[in-house]
Amino acid sequence: SQQGEEDPQALSIQEGENATMNCSYKTSINNLQWYRQNSGRGLVHLILIRSNEREKHSGRLRVTLDTSKKSSSLLITASRAADTASYFCALSNFGNEKLTFGTGTRLTIIP
Amino acid sequence: GAGVSQTPSNKVTEKGKYVELRCDPISGHTALYWYRQSLGQGPEFLIYFQGTGAADDSGLPNDRFFAVRPEGSVSTLKIQRTERGDSAVYLCASSLNPADTQYFGPGTRLTVL
Repeated sequence: SQQGEEDPQALSIQEGENATMNCSYKTSINNLQWYRQNSGRGLVHLILIRSNEREKHSGRLRVTLDTSKKSSSLLITASRAADTASYFCALSNFGNEKLTFGTGTRLTIIP
Repeated sequence: GAGVSQTPSNKVTEKGKYVELRCDPISGHTALYWYRQSLGQGPEFLIYFQGTGAADDSGLPNDRFFAVRPEGSVSTLKIQRTERGDSAVYLCASSLNPADTQYFGPGTRLTVL
């Protein structure tokens, strides 16, 4: 089964700056979800974007999806120390409800 | 409850022992999923329930792993003859319907000595 690949693997930025993470995949998807994870435990759902959508917003988060390039990006604007976490994209294929996760991007916000 | 809950939060066991991990999904959610996450990796799918039945168990690594959801709500993941390689965080998620947003519990950290 396909797996999303996040890029970069690790990212460190100053508080207040914007952070951008990318996810690439290989085959058609039904939807793509972004999750945040702190300290290796509970995953917090951020945004779900469906294959017929191109952009979604939620507060300081902006997600784009380009199905022709098979890629998605997560933008966090005006970053805060509390945004320090690992971020995962998770793919759902048509007719297949399970999520396939990548290895994540480790984001560190420097106060 | 307000979210997905999992018990215990931590479980330490000895190689060869049997363990059960419990998941309480969000009330009314018909779909329930189990994932396993090793250190430094993303979660990996194990099994998915729609109602009481296992709709997809393709992620279970071998026949030592088994899961049930007898009444279509609470689910139990059972691991027989545990091995050190089973050590991981076991995550449960639920969704209102299949292909909807999956909401995750805090996980059970299993350590096999």
